[in-house]
Amino acid sequence: DADVTQTPRNRITKTGKRIMLECSQTKGHDRMYWYRQDPGLGLRLIYYSFDVKDINKGEISDGYSVSRQAQAKFSLSLESAIPNQTALYFCATSEQGFGSGELFFGEGSRLTVL
Amino acid sequence: GENVEQHPSTLSVQEGDSAVIKCTYSDSASNYFPWYKQELGKGPQLIIDIRSNVGEKKDQRIAVTLNKTAKHFSLHITETQPEDSAVYFCAASIIFLGGGADGLTFGKGTHLIIQP
Repeated sequence: DADVTQTPRNRITKTGKRIMLECSQTKGHDRMYWYRQDPGLGLRLIYYSFDVKDINKGEISDGYSVSRQAQAKFSLSLESAIPNQTALYFCATSEQGFGSGELFFGEGSRLTVL
Repeated sequence: GENVEQHPSTLSVQEGDSAVIKCTYSDSASNYFPWYKQELGKGPQLIIDIRSNVGEKKDQRIAVTLNKTAKHFSLHITETQPEDSAVYFCAASIIFLGGGADGLTFGKGTHLIIQP
């Protein structure tokens, strides 16, 4: 089983609908992240969380919200989806404390907003 | 905030030749520079990283060089093979004394194509 699991893997929805992307991890990491990937734009940080009580906005948080339900779970919500939120979304985790800054990514959730 | 520029956006090389991807960063406080490889349909995966107290690091066919003065770093892949075909991302961050990175800033990616 994957260490970082994202659901759903693919979702097609309509403008104005509420969407939740879920992420769970078995790596035991405190830090979790949501990134968005668009062709030609690379990966951009939406939100990140250093522990259950800590949520921080990233570079492109407008139109998104997150919830850290437990150490292992971090959800991304689009309250009212719009077409320019069509993208590939990645959840990632990393260790806290001494060690590398390596991010461990899930396999992505492809969202299409019509 | 940090800004990372990556070039080229697409690179096509013959199998067996070398490939070089270059990145520049803007924040002189950045001290951690990883490279990620993304294969089709998968999430990015770390392949090599370098910290600012080191000028070069090698791992088999992959090497990364860092020039702190010029604020640029490069990925070198020698003896390229078909399985090297992927999208490669550079990134920059600050590793704090207490550990962990405060979120990576990524370049826009390079699509590396290995021609048989």
